[in-house]
Amino acid sequence: DQQVKQNSPSLSVQEGRISILNCDYTNSMFDYFLWYKKYPAEGPTFLISISSIKDKNEDGRFTVFLNKSAKHLSLHIVPSQPGDSAVYFCAASARYGGSQGNLIFGKGTKLSVKP
Amino acid sequence: EAGVAQSPRYKIIEKRQSVAFWCNPISGHATLYWYQQILGQGPKLLIQFQNNGVVDDSQLPKDRFSAERLKGVDSTLKIQPAKLEDSAVYLCASSRMRIRGGRFDEQFFGPGTRLTVL
Repeated sequence: DQQVKQNSPSLSVQEGRISILNCDYTNSMFDYFLWYKKYPAEGPTFLISISSIKDKNEDGRFTVFLNKSAKHLSLHIVPSQPGDSAVYFCAASARYGGSQGNLIFGKGTKLSVKP
Repeated sequence: EAGVAQSPRYKIIEKRQSVAFWCNPISGHATLYWYQQILGQGPKLLIQFQNNGVVDDSQLPKDRFSAERLKGVDSTLKIQPAKLEDSAVYLCASSRMRIRGGRFDEQFFGPGTRLTVL
């Protein structure tokens, strides 16, 4: 039973255009969401996060949008650069829930940014 | 600051053999996590330590997996005996604490150990 779903295994975007990566969740107890970026042979690195009290968080070229009613979040990268090519994982947590706030990861979306 | 160190980076064993992975977290990080990432999946938490105590091991297959964090610093994860389905990347992560200032404290991941069980 997947609580965090990334339904697009891959996404290809032209350099300079917008990349939109989507994530859906099912557990209404989740109140904190994160995006991680992973290059081959490296561990995931934290990219950006959002609390459920917000609907948008921005950090440079990266913006995360949260739609609580739809249980959906998205990561926008503008403009996309070839160095953004990586696997992006969406993760969710119930910070004060019974699971002790453990991160639940989606399967990831592989982003390819073409020059 | 130095990142999370893991060794070995790669390990190939036959089923029913034993294997151990080592993790050295970032200095001063109280919380340490072990994740299993099967090919095509996201990381799945196996066990979480706060200092040298276990906070959550609900998803650790305790009949074959064990982990310890002696002295609240380094940690080892052991599989004994290994099965084919244990083939995965084992990731170690650390954070200063689990929750800080109401925000989920950032987890820093090591490069992982890729285990292949034949």
